[in-house]
Amino acid sequence: DIQMTQSPSSLSASVGDRVTITCQATQDISKSVSWYQQKPGKAPKLLIYDASILATGVPSRFSGYGSGTEFSFTISSLQPEDFATYYCQQYDNFTPTFGPGTKVDIK
Amino acid sequence: QVLLQESGPGLVKPSETLSLTCSISGASISRFHWSWIRQPPGKGLEWIGFLSYSGNTNYNPSLQSRVTISVDTSKNQFSLKLTSVTAADTAVYFCTRHLGVLYAFDIWGQGTVVTVSS
Repeated sequence: DIQMTQSPSSLSASVGDRVTITCQATQDISKSVSWYQQKPGKAPKLLIYDASILATGVPSRFSGYGSGTEFSFTISSLQPEDFATYYCQQYDNFTPTFGPGTKVDIK
Repeated sequence: QVLLQESGPGLVKPSETLSLTCSISGASISRFHWSWIRQPPGKGLEWIGFLSYSGNTNYNPSLQSRVTISVDTSKNQFSLKLTSVTAADTAVYFCTRHLGVLYAFDIWGQGTVVTVSS
């Protein structure tokens, strides 16, 4: 299995801050990474796929970068509605796996 | 607008079979790929298995011996069966749609809570 590690596991930030989360894969997965946002009691929402492509309707303050084994996800200016847990996910093979998540809360 | 709705028993006894159905509206089941994903309480996400637009399946190796995903095209539904459940199978179960041919998930159901307990 391809494992995804994610850091930090949690962070506290203020509205307007720039926030970056990183994800590392245990082997080369090219650009086969997506990022999701999940709020309590809700289903995850797809934000980014193929490492850097914004899903339909997702605001441009969200961005993704990376290839191979190192990936990052950035919120350029944190908004009140962005406080949530974020997951990376790899889909290089036919057994997709998710990172453990990063909880972003209010400082 | 594409909507997915999971349904099934919220409580299953240990050693029995968990059965869930995903009802799809706004899209034809025969034109997309679909998956089941679960999330134990307070934990992360685990992919369970995949159903292709043509009816082929693929399962997580860690669950393969216990999982079956099937399709009912006449009802535009697909189903999950997980046998010999234990407390470790307690989770929120989501049905999802794949983004094209990718194993990325662009549409999710709201999720249904399944508790395994006697």
